[in-house]
Amino acid sequence: EVQLVESGGGLVQPGGSLRLSCAASGFTFNNYGMSWVRQAPGKGLEWVSIIVGSGHSTYYADSVKGRFTISRDNSKNTLYLQMNSLRAEDTAVYYCAKVVLWFGDYYFDYWGQGTLVTVSS
Amino acid sequence: QSVLTQPPSVSGAPGQRVTISCAGSSSNIGAGYDVHWYQHLPGTAPKLLIYGSTNRPSGVPDRFSGSKSGTSASLAISGLQAEDEADYYCQSYDNSLSGYVFGTGTKVTVL
Repeated sequence: EVQLVESGGGLVQPGGSLRLSCAASGFTFNNYGMSWVRQAPGKGLEWVSIIVGSGHSTYYADSVKGRFTISRDNSKNTLYLQMNSLRAEDTAVYYCAKVVLWFGDYYFDYWGQGTLVTVSS
Repeated sequence: QSVLTQPPSVSGAPGQRVTISCAGSSSNIGAGYDVHWYQHLPGTAPKLLIYGSTNRPSGVPDRFSGSKSGTSASLAISGLQAEDEADYYCQSYDNSLSGYVFGTGTKVTVL
């Protein structure tokens, strides 16, 4: 059974940093890309970033490019999101998702329960 | 703001059929990228319902079906059940944004 468990969320001041983690189990982690997707309060889903299985390629939404860094440790079956220069508009529930390559692009087949990040002074 | 537009809400009585539209453009659905659909109950993990515009993962009831035509796509739910009350999102890739995009989301209410 695929399980994705996020951690690391919390309250942080504007301009601050936070690192999210996602522990994965139930599948061969290094064979699959992984992604972060967020949902701001009262809003819809927003894709944040994707990393391929090897970790050698990463992709970001324009809204977080240059501030967030996605990475993975395949020896620990863990995905990370380092978030720097946080802004109020980054306040959201952050979901970790396993992705499947489909004719050159990706879809998200399993998701975690999410971790809440609140950026406020 | 999202580049995939969905109706904010749809509703139906138990047993009825409802459809949710997902309107895109020439840089996403119209460019040939497939559409994927997710069901989300607040506070829980989103669930994949349809991938590749028309395919159901194992375990998803055949009451759920997807279609795609031109620059739009649709999700149909037939034999509506109380447990189908949730938010539904479409998703695709946009080549002008060079990124993955979700629809605005649709809340399904079972009357």
